[in-house]
Amino acid sequence: VQMVQSGAEVKKPGASVKVSCKASGYSFTDYGISWVRQAPGQGLEWMGWISGYNGNSEYPQKLQDRVSMTIDTSTKTGYMELRSLGSDDTAVYYCARDAGRYRSSDLDYWGQGTLVTVSS
Amino acid sequence: DIQMTQSPSSLSASVGDRVTITCRASQGISTSLNWYRQKAGKAPEFLMYAASTLPVGVPSRFSGSGSGTEFTLNISSLQPEDFATYYCQQTYSTPRTFGRGTKVEIK
Repeated sequence: VQMVQSGAEVKKPGASVKVSCKASGYSFTDYGISWVRQAPGQGLEWMGWISGYNGNSEYPQKLQDRVSMTIDTSTKTGYMELRSLGSDDTAVYYCARDAGRYRSSDLDYWGQGTLVTVSS
Repeated sequence: DIQMTQSPSSLSASVGDRVTITCRASQGISTSLNWYRQKAGKAPEFLMYAASTLPVGVPSRFSGSGSGTEFTLNISSLQPEDFATYYCQQTYSTPRTFGRGTKVEIK
């Protein structure tokens, strides 16, 4: 199993960022993908989950208005878009294979992380 | 949201030591508790699920226990690769909240 993420991004405040996560080595539609971020020197924050089976998603209330997660089953790729970026969105963003097909569950394989820097 | 509180926030130990980390949930979560290990500069690794079950490939020196609101992660004999930060996460309800981490440092 491998989860390979897109490269680092630098964005201006107010802009949007879209990070990709290409999965391989397993049946994509039998699992979901969760996204987790980590601000510099801080802990882990769960950003949401999307089902690889039917595209259903769950987001925490604090991010619900700014985050969108999508999948492309033909390329086995998940995407996370975050809008209206602020300096506190500067973080490493991780995708992880989620064992949950119908709701978020265990995060058993992780991508390498994508650094998103928000700076004017 | 369910708050997850880990203690201690950091500890110092030597190779071969037994280490215990505690995670408390702000409300009952049954055994819906996972543990992750994160080495410096790396992505987290899946260490344990359902409070006490080891995924395939995780060494048996790791063990977990607890249910309801109080959980523990034990490392029976600390190895060099175990100097890292450990996070608990509840999978009982959305949002899936993490503890703030416990950093295990070399004494």
